[in-house]
Amino acid sequence: AQSVAQPEDQVNVAEGNPLTVKCTYSVSGNPYLFWYVQYPNRGLQFLLKYITGDNLVKGSYGFEAEFNKSQTSFHLKKPSALVSDSALYFCAVRDPDTGRRALTFGSGTRLQVQP
Amino acid sequence: KAGVTQTPRYLIKTRGQQVTLSCSPISGHRSVSWYQQTPGQGLQFLFEYFSETQRNKGNFPGRFSGRQFSNSRSEMNVSTLELGDSALYLCASSLWGETNQPQHFGDGTRLSIL
Repeated sequence: AQSVAQPEDQVNVAEGNPLTVKCTYSVSGNPYLFWYVQYPNRGLQFLLKYITGDNLVKGSYGFEAEFNKSQTSFHLKKPSALVSDSALYFCAVRDPDTGRRALTFGSGTRLQVQP
Repeated sequence: KAGVTQTPRYLIKTRGQQVTLSCSPISGHRSVSWYQQTPGQGLQFLFEYFSETQRNKGNFPGRFSGRQFSNSRSEMNVSTLELGDSALYLCASSLWGETNQPQHFGDGTRLSIL
């Protein structure tokens, strides 16, 4: 079975500082990995994905993520945080070998960016 | 291109009632998945439909059911509502046969059970 862990319920960072939101995963095969962001009273908005190839993937709004196969991690990063980045972030995994399109999500990390 | 549309946005029901939620996927997307989001359990997969057939199902009781129509629109139904069914129900659509593509989510239906 596949699973995702987001070890931090909340991450606090000052505006202008770099941010990292951590994610580790467990799948039997090669994973497809995704990051989503959720703002209050809204659905999930896709940020970026890792399928194969370069371990550093770039996404929307200046976010990027680094895939590390040996550590089974897929941490979300941004060089300079904005107050508007404050939201709930979800890491998700899909095992392509299962043929299932549905995603398995982590528990979410609340990012708070202080002015 | 219009996004995933879910109706209604908010719903209040009482225990024992039943409810139907609707989802219209992005044009051209034929796969629809449903998720339940609660503060305690997080995001949990309910079921997935393609070509009017349920393809996968999560670990929910039989009170939760769904269907998909020929135009790919989907509905989910919850019967005999319980207090614990209070949640945000999210619908997501994607292209079938493209497992490397993300799912795109609607803004959800917030269901409150009194």
